[in-house]
Amino acid sequence: AQSVTQLGSHVSVSEGALVLLRCNYSSSVPPYLFWYVQYPNQGLQLLLKYTTGATLVKGINGFEAEFKKSETSFHLTKPSAHMSDAAEYFCAVSGRSSASKIIFGSGTRLSIRP
Amino acid sequence: KAGVTQTPRYLIKTRGQQVTLSCSPISGHRSVSWYQQTPGQGLQFLFEYFSETQRNKGNFPGRFSGRQFSNSRSEMNVSTLELGDSALYLCASSLAGTGKITDTQYFGPGTRLTVL
Repeated sequence: AQSVTQLGSHVSVSEGALVLLRCNYSSSVPPYLFWYVQYPNQGLQLLLKYTTGATLVKGINGFEAEFKKSETSFHLTKPSAHMSDAAEYFCAVSGRSSASKIIFGSGTRLSIRP
Repeated sequence: KAGVTQTPRYLIKTRGQQVTLSCSPISGHRSVSWYQQTPGQGLQFLFEYFSETQRNKGNFPGRFSGRQFSNSRSEMNVSTLELGDSALYLCASSLAGTGKITDTQYFGPGTRLTVL
């Protein structure tokens, strides 16, 4: 069974500062890992995903995440925050079989201070 | 290419009623998944349909059901509504040509259901 924990329900950073959103997972098998973003009154949008291969994954809007098996982590980072990054971010995990379900974290709300 | 559309966007029902939500996937997408989003439980997977067949199901009671039509449009039905069913219901579609879970899912804006 898989599970995912997002540390910090709310993160606030200044515009131009580093964004770091934390995600730890639990899985008995090598997982697939995802980061999604949700803007107010909208559905989710995939930022990036890790399936196999390179552990540093680059996504849209300047975000990237690194899969660290030894730490069971998949933290999301962006070097310089923009006001438009303010949104809810969800980390998700799934197994690798076709019967696997995606399990979402509880979400982290990112606020950007001018 | 048009995105995933969900109708209606907002819905108010009373306890005991039933409701049907509709989802039109992106043209060419064959997989449709449904999710429930609530402040308390977060995002939870309901079920997935592929080529008119339910391929995967989450841990929800039988009051929650769905179906997919030959044009890949999907409907979700909730019978005997309870107050706890108030939520944002999200639909997502993917090409799923190979049935892989890693196929990118594209989400609609959701239907906001309020049960009074």
